[in-house]
Amino acid sequence: GQQLNQSPQSMFIQEGEDVSMNCTSSSIFNTWLWYKQDPGEGPVLLIALYKAGELTSNGRLTAQFGITRKDSFLNISASIPSDVGIYFCAYTGANSKLTFGKGITLSVRP
Amino acid sequence: GAGVSQSPSNKVTEKGKDVELRCDPISGHTALYWYRQSLGQGLEFLIYFQGNSAPDKSGLPSDRFSAERTGGSVSTLTIQRTQQEDSAVYLCASSNRGVNSPLHFGNGTRLTVT
Repeated sequence: GQQLNQSPQSMFIQEGEDVSMNCTSSSIFNTWLWYKQDPGEGPVLLIALYKAGELTSNGRLTAQFGITRKDSFLNISASIPSDVGIYFCAYTGANSKLTFGKGITLSVRP
Repeated sequence: GAGVSQSPSNKVTEKGKDVELRCDPISGHTALYWYRQSLGQGLEFLIYFQGNSAPDKSGLPSDRFSAERTGGSVSTLTIQRTQQEDSAVYLCASSNRGVNSPLHFGNGTRLTVT
């Protein structure tokens, strides 16, 4: 399958700061999904994007599906300690099979 | 409970032994997936079941890995002759049929092969 690129591998921010994460690929996709994984748990869907240019918010989270359909970003505003975790981007391929990026581990300093 | 349930939550086994990991999907979900998450890595697709269709086994890393789904519900992932590189978290997910149906993950089974 096609690869999704997420970098850096880790991010460290201060509580209250905003943070932005990118996900890129050399391939075009029809969906972009953002998942968060808390320690010891399975990933949970945060935001799903289905149309190029689409901008969607979920509380303090905002995500956009890039116009080229090759990238997406996720913004978290006014971070809080419970935002710590691993953030994955993913796309839906054949058979609804999800392919994930390697994830970005977010740490929030109080 | 209403979520995906996996058991055991932790499993330690000796190299060469066989292990079975169990997944109880959300009731009524027709699709079931197994993923593997190694330390510092993303989620690696292993196998996918959809209703009565033949499973998509394209992600299984070797013939030591197999999975069954009985009665369209519970699934078992079996790893034979475990190796140290099999150590990982094995995650199960289920969803309703439909290309945009979100996946609901269990909390995984952490497998350690000594």
